[in-house]
Amino acid sequence: GAGVSQSPSNKVTEKGKDVELRCDPISGHTALYWYRQRLGQGLEFLIYFQGNSAPDKSGLPSDRFSAERTGESVSTLTIQRTQQEDSAVYLCASSLVTGLNQPQHFGDGTRLSIL
Amino acid sequence: DQQVKQNSPSLSVQEGRISILNCDYTNSMFDYFLWYKKYPAEGPTFLISISSIKDKNEDGRFTVFLNKSAKHLSLHIVPSQPGDSAVYFCAANTNAGKSTFGDGTTLTVKP
Repeated sequence: GAGVSQSPSNKVTEKGKDVELRCDPISGHTALYWYRQRLGQGLEFLIYFQGNSAPDKSGLPSDRFSAERTGESVSTLTIQRTQQEDSAVYLCASSLVTGLNQPQHFGDGTRLSIL
Repeated sequence: DQQVKQNSPSLSVQEGRISILNCDYTNSMFDYFLWYKKYPAEGPTFLISISSIKDKNEDGRFTVFLNKSAKHLSLHIVPSQPGDSAVYFCAANTNAGKSTFGDGTTLTVKP
């Protein structure tokens, strides 16, 4: 489809393992955002990209979290040495450009469970 | 400190009646406000928005009201339909385009 695509849709892994989450934004969208939603809570901003640059990484919880974007397209969010508190739904969104009045288009998320 | 607050975690209304979802914010730098709707196991979808220079924006059954002096906005859905049952998120943007979201309100519309 033409929407934001995230993979995998579900990921179960053991504590201490590394995980990589992928986001394919809508073609032509220059802005890309990552959020985390813990159970029963709102969307927690992690990082956003304008093109391949990340002007705002302020939401990354720790140095175990990193993200990159290449070709102004696909983005990967990597969590190293996962902890149980990393269990959440990780949502990716894209918008045509960054800007005041730009709505974001979301993928369906990756549900991450750390055992 | 949470900059965007949705103080009602849940709301239940009868089909055909009005649903009013509320949102308060603290940061006076927010200049644009959006509402998103989220069904289970899906990502949020954009519903309606309003600029800080306006006090009302209407789109079909959905109207958003902004009271800038009170730092308060609300989403009105009338008439409410069972398919409107979802989680509604309020979001506020600065001119950098970064969105700050509230924790959401779960709306249940009973047939």
